[in-house]
Amino acid sequence: DAGVTQSPTHLIKTRGQQVTLRCSPISGHKSVSWYQQVLGQGPQFIFQYYEKEERGRGNFPDRFSARQFPNYSSELNVNALLLGDSALYLCASNSFGDTQYFGPGTRLTVL
Amino acid sequence: QKEVEQDPGPLSVPEGAIVSLNCTYSNSAFQYFMWYRQYSRKGPELLMYTYSSGNKEDGRFTAQVDKSSKYISLFIRDSQPSDSATYLCATQPSGNTPLVFGKGTRLSVIA
Repeated sequence: DAGVTQSPTHLIKTRGQQVTLRCSPISGHKSVSWYQQVLGQGPQFIFQYYEKEERGRGNFPDRFSARQFPNYSSELNVNALLLGDSALYLCASNSFGDTQYFGPGTRLTVL
Repeated sequence: QKEVEQDPGPLSVPEGAIVSLNCTYSNSAFQYFMWYRQYSRKGPELLMYTYSSGNKEDGRFTAQVDKSSKYISLFIRDSQPSDSATYLCATQPSGNTPLVFGKGTRLSVIA
């Protein structure tokens, strides 16, 4: 079975630009969560979606937004990029009540 | 005080050694506990997932949870160079809530 997939693998943007990251969950998983992992730190929670509804939001500015589609895939959007947004962005999926399984991540570099 | 504290290391051990990795947490609402392994520039891989206090064993890995002292541990027996990675502890109040991670401990197993 395929695991969580994310695209793109790497991305380089300049300050002020906008970026869209994509995630496909494990087949059968209806919940998707997004995390940001800055170098040397543990992942920090950004959003959680279940059945296309936002179920939770971490302490991130409104420049961050997300959505989940009818096929349970998800997109994370970040507007007006700052240098501090450079990080590994992780998507995780789970069945209701089960633990989360992570994808390989998208590495975003903001110059 | 951070919700989950984890010594970032780095920790360097000889091949075959027993490795002990530890985390403490502050919120007694946390009920589920996980250990993830993360190789450089990759997504976290679930190693162990436990709910109750006590020990859970899987091959060379043993996870230990002590809810009374809010302390979680991961033991690796007969460590191998392939175990060299960052180990992240994580916890959550219930199965459908965001994960709260420690900073991760970087482990090197020297052949």
